Amino acid sequence: DAGVIQSPRHEVTEMGQEVTLRCKPISGHDYLFWYRQTMMRGLELLIYFNNNVPIDDSGMPEDRFSAKMPNASFSTLKIQPSEPRDSAVYFCASSLNTGTSEDNEQFFGPGTRLTVL
Amino acid sequence: GENVEQHPSTLSVQEGDSAVIKCTYSDSASNYFPWYKQELGKGPQLIIDIRSNVGEKKDQRIAVTLNKTAKHFSLHITETQPEDSAVYFCAASSYNAGNMLTFGGGTRLMVKP
Repeated sequence: DAGVIQSPRHEVTEMGQEVTLRCKPISGHDYLFWYRQTMMRGLELLIYFNNNVPIDDSGMPEDRFSAKMPNASFSTLKIQPSEPRDSAVYFCASSLNTGTSEDNEQFFGPGTRLTVL
Repeated sequence: GENVEQHPSTLSVQEGDSAVIKCTYSDSASNYFPWYKQELGKGPQLIIDIRSNVGEKKDQRIAVTLNKTAKHFSLHITETQPEDSAVYFCAASSYNAGNMLTFGGGTRLMVKP
């Protein structure tokens, strides 16, 4: 498997523009996570899905952020309108629940570095 | 919810020396404790993990210890090498929280040749 795939790897946009980040999880994984990483706040969980259903979106900063998972192999994170403070590296991760009580390993993608001017 | 504290935030060691990173967690229900290594420009990668039914686990030069009573766990790297230089994250998870991980703030490890 190619691992978790994210696109684009880098995105530079102007304030007010819409930004869409894309993620393809590892085939067969049933959990998908979106994280944001900044120097100030570290790794923050934004939202996660189980079997394409959003489970916890309490980390989504505000209404400008939205995430969807229309099928098991694709998810998007959208920011509209974007602001300079949204500049960060956004990671997607996926994991598989094998049904055992302690199986939580997450596999991270390479990230999308977003710069909002 | 879970809160994970990680120390130190930066650590500089001489090649060949040992490095220790410590984490504490707050939720006594947490039962899975992974450690991730993040190299520059890449996503975090799992390097070792420990589950609540063991107190120590070793894999070549890295080892993790877990003290559930005190709610803390540590990463030990022996015979450090320059390629160990990276940011290390600890995390904690409870089966009751699905597969969700709560990460510590990270430790930047620098190994001087």
